[in-house]
Amino acid sequence: DAGVTQSPTHLIKTRGQQVTLRCSPKSGHDTVSWYQQALGQGPQFIFQYYEEEERQRGNFPDRFSGHQFPNYSSELNVNALLLGDSALYLCASSESGVWTEAFFGQGTRLTVV
Amino acid sequence: AQSVTQPDIHITVSEGASLELRCNYSYGATPYLFWYVQSPGQGLQLLLKYFSGDTLVQGIKGFEAEFKRSQSSFNLRKPSVHWSDAAEYFCAVGSGGSYIPTFGRGTSLIVHP
Repeated sequence: DAGVTQSPTHLIKTRGQQVTLRCSPKSGHDTVSWYQQALGQGPQFIFQYYEEEERQRGNFPDRFSGHQFPNYSSELNVNALLLGDSALYLCASSESGVWTEAFFGQGTRLTVV
Repeated sequence: AQSVTQPDIHITVSEGASLELRCNYSYGATPYLFWYVQSPGQGLQLLLKYFSGDTLVQGIKGFEAEFKRSQSSFNLRKPSVHWSDAAEYFCAVGSGGSYIPTFGRGTSLIVHP
């Protein structure tokens, strides 16, 4: 079992561009959550996907959007990138409706210049 | 709304010394509490969790944590620190309704030989 895999590992984008980050959940997990971790901060919840729908959303603007596919993999899209979007983006997978361990990927380091 | 405070940004200990990392939470009902560890360039790994029952929780890598409702605390402890324990430690709190933990800003552990 490969666990949670994210791609790419690093990315450099220019202000105003759009970016797509990808996540494959751990085998057997059907729920994917995305977090933004700025330097020196804890992860901040962006949104969670289950059954291909956004189930919950944190305090992030509409520039942040996502998608979940039938195989439970997920994408995070960010439009009109700002310098402040530079961060480590973490994906976590879990089983729906269960308080158990959420498994995290290694993250995608996004740098906006 | 739930929140987590980790009052220590950095903690420095000597290898072999004992360790205690502090965590205070804010939540009206019985919380779900977690400690995660993040090594440089890595995702988050769950050390331990508290849902109910015994307030002293044992985790991986020799860590333990004690839930104290009267103090709204969930401090992480280890009797003897190893150099490999140097990492960022995050406390998180969750509620029964959302299954989404809220993270503290983290404590960076530095281990001196």
